[in-house]
Amino acid sequence: NAGVTQTPKFRILKIGQSMTLQCTQDMNHNYMYWYRQDPGMGLKLIYYSVGAGITDKGEVPNGYNVSRSTTEDFPLRLELAAPSQTSVYFCASSYWGRELNQPQHFGDGTRLSIL
Amino acid sequence: AQTVTQSQPEMSVQEAETVTLSCTYDTSESDYYLFWYKQPPSRQMILVIRQEAYKQQNATENRFSVNFQKAAKSFSLKISDSQLGDAAMYFCAYRSLNTGNQFYFGTGTSLTVIP
Repeated sequence: NAGVTQTPKFRILKIGQSMTLQCTQDMNHNYMYWYRQDPGMGLKLIYYSVGAGITDKGEVPNGYNVSRSTTEDFPLRLELAAPSQTSVYFCASSYWGRELNQPQHFGDGTRLSIL
Repeated sequence: AQTVTQSQPEMSVQEAETVTLSCTYDTSESDYYLFWYKQPPSRQMILVIRQEAYKQQNATENRFSVNFQKAAKSFSLKISDSQLGDAAMYFCAYRSLNTGNQFYFGTGTSLTVIP
């Protein structure tokens, strides 16, 4: 019963370093999302994907890249880490089909600090 | 894009009492879905309740119920018999059937339960 799995849970990066946040889901959901949550704030959508091979920008895509080569995996890449990217990152997935009232299922989050 | 507004950054309630969290949204769509999520200190995002816009009947899940006013674009959450475990950040979310089925989140309401 894994659901949405994010790795790592915590990471500290130096300015200018790059890294990939991993996200995988085992529910055969077609939609996947990456959000960031700054302290005391709500969720802001970075990128989303409606299926393998298809991705699109959300509200705050600058400084990030994504890929969706399989239904299960939706990694988020930071190329040149900046202090403004210090945040908690959530991956989520959902199903869109006949049952349109399906909620998003969230991973446990990745706390990322850029120093 | 749709916007979701939670006008109460913080709320408090006495244990066993009832509290209502407000949420309003702006949309030109006629069909959509609304959700309330709970985020405890563990940072997990937990679905509390969902509402289909085409249904006039308000959704109920045990001690949680909503007051959905479609014309007023209002979607408030009522928590009855509040328990200490209800203390968390609560997010209202709107799911569009267009714009890639994106979810739009409010900025959250921090609920404190006073023993």
